Amino acid sequence: DAMVIQNPRYQVTQFGKPVTLSCSQTLNHNVMYWYQQKSSQAPKLLFHYYDKDFNNEADTPDNFQSRRPNTSFCFLDIRSPGLGDAAMYLCATSRDAIGARYEQYFGPGTRLTVT
Amino acid sequence: TQLLEQSPQFLSIQEGENLTVYCNSSSVFSSLQWYRQEPGEGPVLLVTVVTGGEVKKLKRLTFQFGDARKDSSLHITAAQPGDTGLYLCAGGEYGNKLVFGAGTILRVKS
Repeated sequence: DAMVIQNPRYQVTQFGKPVTLSCSQTLNHNVMYWYQQKSSQAPKLLFHYYDKDFNNEADTPDNFQSRRPNTSFCFLDIRSPGLGDAAMYLCATSRDAIGARYEQYFGPGTRLTVT
Repeated sequence: TQLLEQSPQFLSIQEGENLTVYCNSSSVFSSLQWYRQEPGEGPVLLVTVVTGGEVKKLKRLTFQFGDARKDSSLHITAAQPGDTGLYLCAGGEYGNKLVFGAGTILRVKS
């Protein structure tokens, strides 16, 4: 089945220790997104890639970076995690908005704990 | 920036009851999606509505898009404990992005 995969599902890191979360997709979608979600709130968009073009949200801290080496993979790097960065991180994909259907498909998420 | 107001924020009901969740905006959306998210998992797309006045049914769930494409509703008939979760409405925004409502936490007690 075509899907969005996130690894690891649970990640524990120490305050200030860099961490990388990964996402892969078999949907062959050209757009990939990273969201941060805190307890039962709506997901907050951090940035997205349209093909190789990186699009950062204005309020995303510099502490968050991303890489997309190819169509299938995308990484979220947190350079110096703080306690406030503990959250669920969601990866999502979509095709270009065909027929104005802005449908996004989410992975299962990575729960990040910062100690 | 377009905004989506979702209500109620929280619903706790008994199994077998009916409920409706609302999503409203002052802006026109080309489409609206509804997602359900279970604890510890990612949101799962339930439906996309595109045409004003459109009604879609998914088993006991009925989704409606307002005639002016500014609002949408989700109605669940005879709720089951398996319906428990966070329900999110989302509208498409220029730049391949989604605007999310704040979400509705639904708890169905058996």
